[in-house]
Amino acid sequence: GESVGLHLPTLSVQEGDNSIINCAYSNSASDYFIWYKQESGKGPQFIIDIRSNMDKRQGQRVTVLLNKTVKHLSLQIAATQPGDSAVYFCAENMAGSARQLTFGSGTQLTVLP
Amino acid sequence: KAGVTQTPRYLIKTRGQQVTLSCSPISGHRSVSWYQQTPGQGLQFLFEYFSETQRNKGNFPGRFSGRQFSNSRSEMNVSTLELGDSALYLCASSLAGSSGQETQYFGPGTRLLVL
Repeated sequence: GESVGLHLPTLSVQEGDNSIINCAYSNSASDYFIWYKQESGKGPQFIIDIRSNMDKRQGQRVTVLLNKTVKHLSLQIAATQPGDSAVYFCAENMAGSARQLTFGSGTQLTVLP
Repeated sequence: KAGVTQTPRYLIKTRGQQVTLSCSPISGHRSVSWYQQTPGQGLQFLFEYFSETQRNKGNFPGRFSGRQFSNSRSEMNVSTLELGDSALYLCASSLAGSSGQETQYFGPGTRLLVL
């Protein structure tokens, strides 16, 4: 079946550098995408979302890019900080009224001092 | 505004028992979804409730069930527990407006261990 997948299971970056986490999705019917951050022992925390009628959205230190042509999603974190260390998930929701997210496998981001 | 709350936070059960987990959504949110998170399968959708009705269901056996109350609080139940049911069970709530394009906010989860 179709699913969301992440390219890299782990990513290590130096503190202060920029981080890029990638995600591939295969369901062309998806029209809403969310990035979540999950720290150990906690539930997923909303970071940023983007709708299919957009290709870029910026938040505080984070930017999400959506390329519908190649079905690719990325999360950019500027000036990565130790508190950014966590597992990052992309999730997609198919068009319609149902709230059913399909999650990628996650990327473990480690920020090195 | 308080976030999504889940009780209990931790549970230990034995095979064959049943368990009920509770979720209180963010005030004003009417949709509640449940997810199972395991190291092997990741985050998987269980079901979604809106206006006390199950609106959508994932690929889980009938042992997994849920309900929603008039105040939008939700419970999920797992009967005849199996070892493989050990997982973090997450609840998420959203406003449930006319569009599916809205954020789901997650609670801290209930960690279930089946022995």
